[in-house]
Amino acid sequence: ETGVTQSPTHLIKTRGQQVTLRCSSQSGHNTVSWYQQALGQGPQFIFQYYREEENGRGNFPPRFSGLQFPNYSSELNVNALELDDSALYLCASSLDRGRTEAFFGQGTRLTVV
Amino acid sequence: GQQVMQIPQYQHVQEGEDFTTYCNSSTTLSNIQWYKQRPGGHPVFLIQLVKSGEVKKQKRLTFQFGEAKKNSSLHITATQTTDVGTYFCAGRDYGGATNKLIFGTGTLLAVQP
Repeated sequence: ETGVTQSPTHLIKTRGQQVTLRCSSQSGHNTVSWYQQALGQGPQFIFQYYREEENGRGNFPPRFSGLQFPNYSSELNVNALELDDSALYLCASSLDRGRTEAFFGQGTRLTVV
Repeated sequence: GQQVMQIPQYQHVQEGEDFTTYCNSSTTLSNIQWYKQRPGGHPVFLIQLVKSGEVKKQKRLTFQFGEAKKNSSLHITATQTTDVGTYFCAGRDYGGATNKLIFGTGTLLAVQP
């Protein structure tokens, strides 16, 4: 196991609602990245947090937002959910924001109905 | 934007046969990482290649990074049923400050006993 934990593991929400997903990074890791993985596709980068600040963002609208806390755990918030937001959301922690490997959590399966 | 393509999308082999997946980036990469994702699981880091022309081996797996740092390959010798899963390459933009990984489209490997 990677030591990266995500909660909840599964979630069903209604279109228009808001959702918060949580991630505990591996001990000693100060960088957390969030990815969205639609069925049958590769993970798509949403954003990265380094030492509590956003440090890069992919091509996702502002209704996707995040936080990183002093203990380096992180949250992903999605407002005004759309059906296309249904996906596996993966959190990955890294030793730093550089060129190191990413350790993924088991993901949160979000279904929007 | 940067794109990372993989071929083939799907490969079905008999146990004992070899398997190769190829990864091509539209831009030069500072490094490339390979991940394996089992059905229903999360991506698991396999290896990182950094140098132009680098070749690394892990038991039956051989990884190569192209001379121009725009392509890579993963070769599995004598596949086993435990090799089943989707193999993703993930590239990092040359000179990028974040650990933003651009994942390839993935190759799903099925191994028949």
